[in-house]
Amino acid sequence: DAGVIQSPRHEVTEMGQEVTLRCKPISGHDYLFWYRQTMMRGLELLIYFNNNVPIDDSGMPEDRFSAKMPNASFSTLKIQPSEPRDSAVYFCASSYRDSRYGYTFGSGTRLTVV
Amino acid sequence: AQKITQTQPGMFVQEKEAVTLDCTYDTSDQSYGLFWYKQPSSGEMIFLIYQGSYDEQNATEGRYSLNFQKARKSANLVISASQLGDSAMYFCAMAGGSEKLVFGKGMKLTVNP
Repeated sequence: DAGVIQSPRHEVTEMGQEVTLRCKPISGHDYLFWYRQTMMRGLELLIYFNNNVPIDDSGMPEDRFSAKMPNASFSTLKIQPSEPRDSAVYFCASSYRDSRYGYTFGSGTRLTVV
Repeated sequence: AQKITQTQPGMFVQEKEAVTLDCTYDTSDQSYGLFWYKQPSSGEMIFLIYQGSYDEQNATEGRYSLNFQKARKSANLVISASQLGDSAMYFCAMAGGSEKLVFGKGMKLTVNP
């Protein structure tokens, strides 16, 4: 398996622009998670899905953030409009229902909003 | 709510020595899992080891072992025979019944030659 695939690896955008981050989870995994990592706040869970259904979006910072999972093999995290404080590394992770096998993380997307 | 506490901001260890990274947790769930992840300077998150709350034995994976003390709510990671490649950030995390994985703030380990 190729693991969790995220794209793009790096994104630089201007304030006010729309940004879309993409994730392909490992086939067969039931859960998908979006995390944001910053020096100040560490690793924050933004939202997670179970069988493509959003379960908990309480970590989404504000209405500018939205996430979708239209099918078991694809998810997006969208920021519109983007702001400089959104600059961070965004990770996607997926896992089986039995979490003892661990949560597999993608390589992350480093977002810079200027 | 779940909470993970890692109080050591950084540690230094000599190559080939063992090192213990501390982690305490708090949860109201009866069933939960504890995880350790490694994040090298390249940025990827690497899963190291898992301990279930009902597991009677401490988990081991190669040079990694987890010292699980349920009554004290601690899940310390022990790395035996440190290698230069072990230099990285280490994160303790837990997931309860909701499968929501919550991370501690991490700690930086530096292995000196």
